[in-house]
Amino acid sequence: DVKVTQSSRYLVKRTGEKVFLECVQDMDHENMFWYRQDPGLGLRLIYFSYDVKMKEKGDIPEGYSVSREKKERFSLILESASTNQTSMYLCASSRTGGFGELFFGEGSRLTVL
Amino acid sequence: AQTVTQSQPEMSVQEAETVTLSCTYDTSENNYYLFWYKQPPSRQMILVIRQEAYKQQNATENRFSVNFQKAAKSFSLKISDSQLGDTAMYFCAFMKAMDSNYQLIWGAGTKLIIKP
Repeated sequence: DVKVTQSSRYLVKRTGEKVFLECVQDMDHENMFWYRQDPGLGLRLIYFSYDVKMKEKGDIPEGYSVSREKKERFSLILESASTNQTSMYLCASSRTGGFGELFFGEGSRLTVL
Repeated sequence: AQTVTQSQPEMSVQEAETVTLSCTYDTSENNYYLFWYKQPPSRQMILVIRQEAYKQQNATENRFSVNFQKAAKSFSLKISDSQLGDTAMYFCAFMKAMDSNYQLIWGAGTKLIIKP
């Protein structure tokens, strides 16, 4: 069974803290994505990666960075968390040639106080 | 730029009824894919159904079917014989066929509640 695992389901952090969200997939997929999900806004792409050490900015990259040192792992980093980054974060992966079929993790709900 | 609009923030129906979720999109592309994804409460988002724009036949997956109207840029999802397990957020999404980065454009979502 295919699996995308996000390290934390719920996190509470304070303003200014550095936050790491980890995502691991076991499907040998080339592409990995980090989305932010907010009510009424759908999913907005933060960053994506189509290969190890490769990354591309999505629609809302400000305040975020990513790391992909291994094919199966894609990390989202909030260098200095702010209250407006309180949100649900979804990781997804897909294979090249998968024609838009994304496989998602369960999500990480981050609250920044 | 492509946009996807879901005009129904929330819907509720009785179990066993048929429900249709609406989605419209805007694009100048001729070749693209359209998707419906389902996000059950506290569970992973999964792909429900995919439609390729060059195929005239509407896609179906068991109780789920779409009404794809290319000229009208409309892509609705019909759920027949609805079940309690269909309760979820449903997202419509668009992807250009030639997008090598496989980026999807998402609608805002429709919250569907199936009542017993």
